[in-house]
Parts: sequence; C-alpha cells; structure tokens
Amino acid sequence: SAVISQKPSRDICQRGTSLTIQCQVDSQVTMMFWYRQQPGQSLTLIATANQGSEATYESGFVIDKFPISRPNLTFSTLTVSNMSPEDSSIYLCSVRREGPSEQYFGPGTRLTVT
Amino acid sequence: AQKITQTQPGMFVQEKEAVTLDCTYDTSDPSYGLFWYKQPSSGEMIFLIYQGSYDQQNATEGRYSLNFQKARKSANLVISASQLGDSAMYFCAMRERERSDKLIFGTGTRLQVFP
Repeated sequence: SAVISQKPSRDICQRGTSLTIQCQVDSQVTMMFWYRQQPGQSLTLIATANQGSEATYESGFVIDKFPISRPNLTFSTLTVSNMSPEDSSIYLCSVRREGPSEQYFGPGTRLTVT
Repeated sequence: AQKITQTQPGMFVQEKEAVTLDCTYDTSDPSYGLFWYKQPSSGEMIFLIYQGSYDQQNATEGRYSLNFQKARKSANLVISASQLGDSAMYFCAMRERERSDKLIFGTGTRLQVFP
C-alpha cells in the first residue's frame, strides 16, 4: 500500500478566497490524481498531475479554478480558487503505483465554503 | 452513457450474515480493471479488492470476494460474516487500460449492518 497524507484535513473558508491542499506520498509515484466528492455524491476526477508536465484537466474543470503543482515525485498541491459554496466538497488525492491494482487514496480534505 | 452502475442506494444486513453489493459496467476496452472501495463516515477511501479483466479466477481478500461475471459485465462485491464496522459507503470503480489511468466511479451503495 501507499502512505498518503493530506493537509489540511478540513477547513472552513469564506467565499472568494483560495485554499491550497497538499498531498504527500511516502514514496515516488509517477501518477497523481485529484478527485472531488460533492456532498452525497460519487467521486469525480478533477485532473491528473504528472511530474514535469502540465496537469491534464477533465471536462468541466479548468486550470484557473483548480491550479495544480507537481514539483517532484512525492508531492502535489491543488488550489481551489475564488471559492463559492458550490466548492464545498471532499477533495481526495490519489496515486497510482506500478501494479494494476495499486491505486490508493489519501484521507481527504473536507472543505466547507461559507 | 454511464459506465459504472450501482443500483442499490442502500442495503441492510444483519451482523454475521453475508451481503452482496451489485455493480455493472460498460466498456469496449478488452483490458480493464475493476475496484471496490469502502468509504466510512470519516471520508477516506479504503481499497478493498481488485479484479482484472483477464484474471481467470474471482478475486478474494479476506471476507471480501468479487463475483466477476464478464459476459454479464458485472462485478458484485460479496462481504461474508458482516461486522458492525462494515457500515459505510461502498463504491465500485473501473479503469480502462487503453484509454487512461483514471478511475470512473459508480454512485455508491450505503451499507448498514445491524446487530
């Protein structure tokens, strides 16, 4: 398995502000993913973050709203910009390792926007 | 078109009984993987079990087993000897190998285990 930590674990933010979420993995991984889970919903992929290249965003998500950094093979950040109450969600970092079954998730960041 | 379908929004099971959570999928990719995750109220996603499309045998992990019926495109999770701690949301997910490495999730099933 992989040990993945996320900071912060939860936060309450004012609308119009930005929050940066950090994801740290205990070993090097090529692929890191950021997912969003809105209240009572399933998980939706925001973007794929590969080290050394621009993040790839899914339909409906844009870099200006969710800028991502991937400075090395163990770390990534996701920023939620200009927040509105609709951004209230759990944000989860996920990593893919070599084996086909090896896809693990961090503990999540529970964000509430007021 | 929805790729992963979980038709049971909620399920109840008595402690020590077995329960089956349904999952059907749709893909034209011959190479794919199917996952089940457990999400307790804390929000973390806990990996339970994986089945590859070319795997000959159904996957098992302790009390979890996956009833993989390829022709029917179903990958049901069976939890044996349910425990109170099994109460959680359960998500089925699929990765299509030739398209991308992303996981596509179903809508989830909330399982409640009662004494």
